[in-house]
Amino acid sequence: QAQLVQSGSELKKPGASVKISCKASGYNFTMYSLNWVRQAPGQGLEWMGWINTNTGNPAYDQAFTGRFVFSLDTSVSTTYLQISDLRAEDTAVYYCTRDPESGSPPPWGQGTLVTVSS
Amino acid sequence: SYELTQPPSVSVSPGQTARITCSGAALPTKYAYWFQQKSGQAPVLVIYEDNKRPTKIPERYSGSSSGTMATLTISGAQVEDEADYYCYSRDDTPIQVFGRGTKLTVL
Repeated sequence: QAQLVQSGSELKKPGASVKISCKASGYNFTMYSLNWVRQAPGQGLEWMGWINTNTGNPAYDQAFTGRFVFSLDTSVSTTYLQISDLRAEDTAVYYCTRDPESGSPPPWGQGTLVTVSS
Repeated sequence: SYELTQPPSVSVSPGQTARITCSGAALPTKYAYWFQQKSGQAPVLVIYEDNKRPTKIPERYSGSSSGTMATLTISGAQVEDEADYYCYSRDDTPIQVFGRGTKLTVL
């Protein structure tokens, strides 16, 4: 059974960086792309972009270019989201999700809360 | 950029049928997914691939799609169904998008 497990909550100061992880299990890691989704407090869900787990190539929604970087370590079936120059408005829960396999519900990670506060 | 349009709110009495719509230009050829999010909790997938229900989701939840509109139907809505509901799909590129969400009130 496909599963995504994310790293724990983070508390960071403005200007710092954070790197959160999403470890996949239960399927062939390189068969499906992985996506990142953000939800700020009281706001809706925003698709941030995706990373091709076969090539390692990322693609970002236009709202998430510049300070956001997706990366992979296929040896441990893990994708990462790094956010640099953190701002208060980056405070949010970040979810990783996997592209769906036909006929099966797409798996989601449990979410990682990133809090940016001085 | 691609958009999915949902009504901001839907209100029904307990036992009535709630219908939440999602409009998008690519829906004739792309699947719609529906997520339920209760206050303070993570999103839960309630419908995938237009009309499939994950195993733990009650049978009163169903989905359909016709043309540019997908619909989430909750038959005999209950108070515990009160939540925000988001539709999710993609266009002909890898870009994916969520609707802005619909607040369902059951009272």
